[in-house]
Amino acid sequence: NAGVTQTPKFQVLKTGQSMTLQCAQDMNHNSMYWYRQDPGMGLRLIYYSASEGTTDKGEVPNGYNVSRLNKREFSLRLESAAPSQTSVYFCASRGLNLDTQYFGPGTRLTVL
Amino acid sequence: AQRVTQPEKLLSVFKGAPVELKCNYSYSGSPELFWYVQYSRQRLQLLLRHISRESIKGFTADLNKGETSFHLKKPFAQEEDSAMYYCALRDSGGYQKVTFGTGTKLQVIP
Repeated sequence: NAGVTQTPKFQVLKTGQSMTLQCAQDMNHNSMYWYRQDPGMGLRLIYYSASEGTTDKGEVPNGYNVSRLNKREFSLRLESAAPSQTSVYFCASRGLNLDTQYFGPGTRLTVL
Repeated sequence: AQRVTQPEKLLSVFKGAPVELKCNYSYSGSPELFWYVQYSRQRLQLLLRHISRESIKGFTADLNKGETSFHLKKPFAQEEDSAMYYCALRDSGGYQKVTFGTGTKLQVIP
């Protein structure tokens, strides 16, 4: 099992550009999450998906959209990137009735 | 609304000294609490959860509902404990939402 994978690992964007961060898990987990990690702010939940076909906003959803494409994949889209979105983005998944969240390796995004 | 507070951004201790990383929470229901750890250049991983009442790598954490706390403790710090530690609370209802604290960086001085 690869666990949770994320692509790309690094990305540099210019203000106003768009991009999609991809996340996939091969553990047949129901719930998937997107977080951003910023110094002094810890991990903040952007969006989550409790099950295939559902998505909900977290603490900081503005400027982002998500798609739960199927049970395996949960993508995060920045329609018009802003410097404030410079961060490290983590995807995570969790199985039904399981406590543990499994995290991906992260995507380091810089918006100039 | 659920909230997790970790008051210390950085905690420095000497090797062999006791460690206590503080975590306080606010949640209207019955909380499910966790500690996650992120070592340098590694992905975030679960350290322990309050339900199992386990000790992992010498760390323990007790849920104190009266004080709404879930502090992480270890009697003797090791250099390999240096990492970022996050306290997290999971919604025990239907939404499965997980909220993390801002994290505490533990620095163990040799």
